[in-house]
Amino acid sequence: QSALTQPRSVSGSPGQSVTISCTGASSDVGGYNYVSWYQQHPGKAPKLMIYDVSKRPSGVPDRFSGSKSGNTASLYISGLQAEDEADYYCCSYAGNYSLVFGGGTKLTVL
Amino acid sequence: QLQLQESGPGLVKPSETLSLTCTVSGGSISSSNYYWGWIRQPPGKGLEWIGSIYYSGSTYYNPSLRSRVTISVDTSKNQFSLKLSSVTAADTAVYYCARHSSVTTGNFQHWGQGTLVTVSS
Repeated sequence: QSALTQPRSVSGSPGQSVTISCTGASSDVGGYNYVSWYQQHPGKAPKLMIYDVSKRPSGVPDRFSGSKSGNTASLYISGLQAEDEADYYCCSYAGNYSLVFGGGTKLTVL
Repeated sequence: QLQLQESGPGLVKPSETLSLTCTVSGGSISSSNYYWGWIRQPPGKGLEWIGSIYYSGSTYYNPSLRSRVTISVDTSKNQFSLKLSSVTAADTAVYYCARHSSVTTGNFQHWGQGTLVTVSS
């Protein structure tokens, strides 16, 4: 299984919105509604931000939302804040009881 | 509050076996609702799922690592463990243990702090 494809970096100013894409195939992203998103600050463990494509765990601000179209999932962050600057990773079920992560996207808040 | 803590050697020689243990506190590893996984992250790189285990002992592995990975569980100690054989420098990474609610969903909601394992002679 190959890693899911994410842009290396995205950026936005405080208050703006950004979208991070995660492209896979019909055997993973496109075939199941099991995409999750993680936020990782330097030196810290990842934090679950979105699961099952668009569900938010308790405590995650509603500025974070997820969606999927075909083989591409997206994480949308509105009202950017300085603390949103981090690395973001997508993860998808890939069939046969296996999981695959994306390569990660560095979000810079300008 | 659920806590996970990785432990094990921080330095492993090439061709040897990497062994790590994850100790779970604040919850039972025997809960029927959860799976327990290992994820790694090479320095400066992305995340890679290694595999997961259910308390009954059912295991699920990344196909690219399957031939070298063994994950086991010790419910009496509330721990699960990772063994990765024939390691090379490419296995140098921060290794995380985490809990998720299904082997089909990557919703790893609880993570350990991670432990750096370096493969070097």
